[in-house]
Amino acid sequence: SQTIHQWPATLVQPVGSPLSLECTVEGTSNPNLYWYRQAAGRGLQLLFYSVGIGQISSEVPQNLSASRPQDRQFILSSKKLLLSDSGFYLCAWSVTRTGGGYGYTFGSGTRLTVV
Amino acid sequence: GNSVTQMEGPVTLSEEAFLTINCTYTATGYPSLFWYVQYPGEGLQLLLKATKADDKGSNKGFEATYRKETTSFHLEKGSVQVSDSAVYFCALLTGANNLFFGTGTRLTVIP
Repeated sequence: SQTIHQWPATLVQPVGSPLSLECTVEGTSNPNLYWYRQAAGRGLQLLFYSVGIGQISSEVPQNLSASRPQDRQFILSSKKLLLSDSGFYLCAWSVTRTGGGYGYTFGSGTRLTVV
Repeated sequence: GNSVTQMEGPVTLSEEAFLTINCTYTATGYPSLFWYVQYPGEGLQLLLKATKADDKGSNKGFEATYRKETTSFHLEKGSVQVSDSAVYFCALLTGANNLFFGTGTRLTVIP
């Protein structure tokens, strides 16, 4: 069966420090991968998606970047965190970019607090 | 544009009460609609879905009907349990294959 792992679960980082959140998927090949963020009081916002190794699309301009070094690995990074980067980050995967009406499968999330 | 508007929470109900969480959407084309649930300390899980108008999604006693005429996908359950306490997200999947979420509604069910 397919599973998705995301870590760490919680993270407290000072302003200006770097960030690296990792997400891996098991049990499937060539998944579409996504990073979402939920800021306090707001809905989930799509940050990045990837349809293949090295292919990254950004949905919103920001202080973050994403990389996909392997088929089932998706990394969210920042060189210098801002206070506004605080939030709940979710990784997700889907079978195809179309979604097929099946929706996405989400990881358990990382709560990032920038202090 | 595409957007999802979800009733604001938090919602607090007694066990066995009837639940409705309203969700309306704006979309170009014909989106698929979803309800996701996030239990405490866990990630999002797909609760139910509907891919075309008049479809009814159902799971674990929850139901939602895709109403194109009112652009709505309200979540209902006839008798909630304490274990239903969670945050519920309405979402739509566009033809361009982006998933748009509502802000989430926190439900607390008290014994």
